[in-house]
Amino acid sequence: GIQVEQSPPDLILQEGANSTLRCNFSDSVNNLQWFHQNPWGQLINLFYIPSGTKQNGRLSATTVATERYSLLYISSSQTTDSGVYFCAVNPYTGGFKTIFGAGTRLFVKA
Amino acid sequence: ETGVTQSPTHLIKTRGQQVTLRCSSQSGHNTVSWYQQALGQGPQFIFQYYREEENGRGNFPPRFSGLQFPNYSSELNVNALELDDSALYLCASSSGQSGANVLTFGAGSRLTVL
Repeated sequence: GIQVEQSPPDLILQEGANSTLRCNFSDSVNNLQWFHQNPWGQLINLFYIPSGTKQNGRLSATTVATERYSLLYISSSQTTDSGVYFCAVNPYTGGFKTIFGAGTRLFVKA
Repeated sequence: ETGVTQSPTHLIKTRGQQVTLRCSSQSGHNTVSWYQQALGQGPQFIFQYYREEENGRGNFPPRFSGLQFPNYSSELNVNALELDDSALYLCASSSGQSGANVLTFGAGSRLTVL
């Protein structure tokens, strides 16, 4: 089945710093989504981005489907950005399913 | 517009027991998917329901089963609980048969198996 790899696994930032999170996937996908999981376990959808670039405030994401990767950019990080960031894909083949990566754990220091 | 709600939020069971978790989908959504998230790991896809039929399944044994009702709410049933079933169980709703649309998650049900 499809493999989804996220990097880095852990990231510590000083408040105000910028960061780039990466998601690589091993096969063609119908779509790709980025989520933020807060310390209470709630998953919040950040981007639905099968291809191209989107921006939402301090966050932006780019997916290059032909090269099988996606990037999530966080600018001017805040302590509230702390948590785990997941990418999730729907494989083009193999039936209807959603596969998550292992996540990037981000801690932003004040 | 109501979001995705799950119940119960926390529960404790003993090995060998059975458990039922419930999920109400967001209004306008007809697809529900379930995930198991063990501590420190990413969510693992269990299965997906579209219009009351299971149309996608991950690598979980048959003792994990589900239902979707005409109002698109859903249940996850786990029989013969094992210690490794301890996890956060997440439900997500979306629209469309493939589930390859924007997923909206509930807050989860945290199951502890003793």
